[in-house]
Amino acid sequence: SQKIEQNSEALNIQEGKTATLTCNYTNYSPAYLQWYRQDPGRGPVFLLLIRENEKEKRKERLKVTFDTTLKQSLFHITASQPADSATYLCALDDNRGATNKLIFGTGTLLAVQP
Amino acid sequence: DAGVIQSPRHEVTEMGQEVTLRCKPISGHDYLFWYRQTMMRGLELLIYFNNNVPIDDSGMPEDRFSAKMPNASFSTLKIQPSEPRDSAVYFCASSRQGDTGELFFGEGSRLTVL
Repeated sequence: SQKIEQNSEALNIQEGKTATLTCNYTNYSPAYLQWYRQDPGRGPVFLLLIRENEKEKRKERLKVTFDTTLKQSLFHITASQPADSATYLCALDDNRGATNKLIFGTGTLLAVQP
Repeated sequence: DAGVIQSPRHEVTEMGQEVTLRCKPISGHDYLFWYRQTMMRGLELLIYFNNNVPIDDSGMPEDRFSAKMPNASFSTLKIQPSEPRDSAVYFCASSRQGDTGELFFGEGSRLTVL
């Protein structure tokens, strides 16, 4: 079955810098890959989706890339702010888009220092 | 819409007791998912429904766990009897068929089994 790997260590960066988070998967390429944000005590919230035929997707200060050769997605937050501090989860479909079933990575905690 | 609604938000119970968690998905969504989140294992998919029908329950850990969806606006996850290792945050999420699988999560039910 599909396995997702995210850096379990927290990422600490200075305000204003670009944060880059990594998501690697092990088996077949998913039809799409998603990124979610989770704040303490809250449910995950959808941020961005990128399809397998897309190399890059942007939304305001967020950018996601998808490299099916490397089996990797990178999630970037430019001009980071303390309010961006949260856990970021990578998720991908488990059935080549045939169903809405998603499996999640364990997430990476981002801490933006003022 | 009010979003996905879960209850209770917090539950503390003793080992051996029955626990029932409840979920009201977003109106019009065809898929409903139950996830469990722990520090060690992250977000694990337990079971999901499509149009009220259970599709994949391979993530349900044991026979002690059961889930139902009697209608499009209500689902339950029951644990009987509960054990300390069941302590976790249980999330319900819903999504719309035909969309790109974006999940809308509830705020979760934090279960502590003593």
